[in-house]
Amino acid sequence: GAGVSQSPRYKVAKRGQDVALRCDPISGHVSLFWYQQALGQGPEFLTYFQNEAQLDKSGLPSDRFFAERPEGSVSTLKIQRTQQEDSAVYLCASSIQELFFGEGSRLTVL
Amino acid sequence: KQEVTQIPAALSVPEGENLVLNCSFTDSAIYNLQWFRQDPGKGLTSLLLIQSSQREQTSGRLNASLDKSSGRSTLYIAASQPGDSATYLCAVGDNNDMRFGAGTRLTVKP
Repeated sequence: GAGVSQSPRYKVAKRGQDVALRCDPISGHVSLFWYQQALGQGPEFLTYFQNEAQLDKSGLPSDRFFAERPEGSVSTLKIQRTQQEDSAVYLCASSIQELFFGEGSRLTVL
Repeated sequence: KQEVTQIPAALSVPEGENLVLNCSFTDSAIYNLQWFRQDPGKGLTSLLLIQSSQREQTSGRLNASLDKSSGRSTLYIAASQPGDSATYLCAVGDNNDMRFGAGTRLTVKP
């Protein structure tokens, strides 16, 4: 596709459930980022991939968060045993130099 | 760790006014700076990218400047329109790590 595509756009999970969020970057973009955005805040860095290599995961808030990009294209952010504080919009971006963002996945944990 | 601050947090102006949004950052060793626009419930749309060797970029009614030595960038919007109402975010860093400010919420009143 022409832009970064994220799915699902909206996800409601019960506390304790596992969720998986998908990101389809722009074709040919080597770099892929995941950000978490709370209401009224700027995006907070979670993790960064260059091709299939996860070069920085310093922003992942706990070991319940896991991201992968096995073939250097599509990426999945997985959150295990979701908690209420995980409720946020999860944004994916890809880049060569300029960051291009998807529409985000809004996660609500009840 | 890079800290990015945006002032003001919110701004309301009448249509037609020229305005300036500010972004400051603590670590001047940046590779580039990017300004984004975010509409409610949407992802981020890239407005302007300034590489570290550049001092400004222009696109239509938008002009962004970069002063690395003082750790500042400004986004100038000329002849504002109601359609400019959105949250404006700046991000600084390099290809591996872009850090965001909390944004300025702009309202342009007809």
